[in-house]
Amino acid sequence: QKEVEQDPGPLSVPEGAIVSLNCTYSNSAFQYFMWYRQYSRKGPELLMYTYSSGNKEDGRFTAQVDKSSKYISLFIRDSQPSDSATYLCAMSNAGGTSYGKLTFGQGTILTVHP
Amino acid sequence: DADVTQTPRNRITKTGKRIMLECSQTKGHDRMYWYRQDPGLGLRLIYYSFDVKDINKGEISDGYSVSRQAQAKFSLSLESAIPNQTALYFCATSDPLSEQFFGPGTRLTVL
Repeated sequence: QKEVEQDPGPLSVPEGAIVSLNCTYSNSAFQYFMWYRQYSRKGPELLMYTYSSGNKEDGRFTAQVDKSSKYISLFIRDSQPSDSATYLCAMSNAGGTSYGKLTFGQGTILTVHP
Repeated sequence: DADVTQTPRNRITKTGKRIMLECSQTKGHDRMYWYRQDPGLGLRLIYYSFDVKDINKGEISDGYSVSRQAQAKFSLSLESAIPNQTALYFCATSDPLSEQFFGPGTRLTVL
C-alpha cells in the first residue's frame, strides 16, 4: 500500500464549478502537507502549504487537513480554464525540517472547460 | 533566467547506454533532489543531497547514481539504461526553510 493515495481522476468540470481534490495517507509521522500544481510540460510549483488540521484559504483555493482521519483536500472555487493542470498532494514528516523529503500522491489531472 | 535548469530537456537513448542528466541552480540552496514521474505513479524520489558532502538514496535508487559537483550542480546518471527507466525526470532544490523548487524536467526515452 502506498503511503499517500490520491484520487486519480481525471476530472473534467465546467468553468465556475467547485472542484474537490483529495488525498489519504497512512503514515502518522506526516505533519506537513502541500499541494503542488503542474502545468503541461512544466515542473510542479507549490500552491498551498499547511501543517495543522483545519482550513487554510488563499484566494479561490482552500486546503483542508484532517489529521485524525489522515485525509487532506484542496478546494477550488469558481474554477477557471487556467486552473487546468495536474494537482499533486505532497507530505513531509516531522523529523528534520518541514521541507525535507516529500512523499507525493499520484496526481489528479484537472480540465476546466469554458 | 530560470532558477533551476535541466539539460538535456529531451533525450532518446538505447538500452545499455550510459547517460547523464544535469541540474544547475542559482537559488543558493544547499538541498537538491532528483525525482522521476510516471503516469499514475506521481513523483518518486531517486536521490537527495542536503549538502555537497551528503548524498542519500531515495525510494527508487536502483539503477541510478548521482554526483554533487558543487552546491549548484547535481547530476543523475543511468549506468546502463533500460526501457523501464523511460520517464520524466525532475530536479528540485530547497533550503531548510523553503519549499522545493522544481526544474522544467527532462523527458527520457530508452529504446
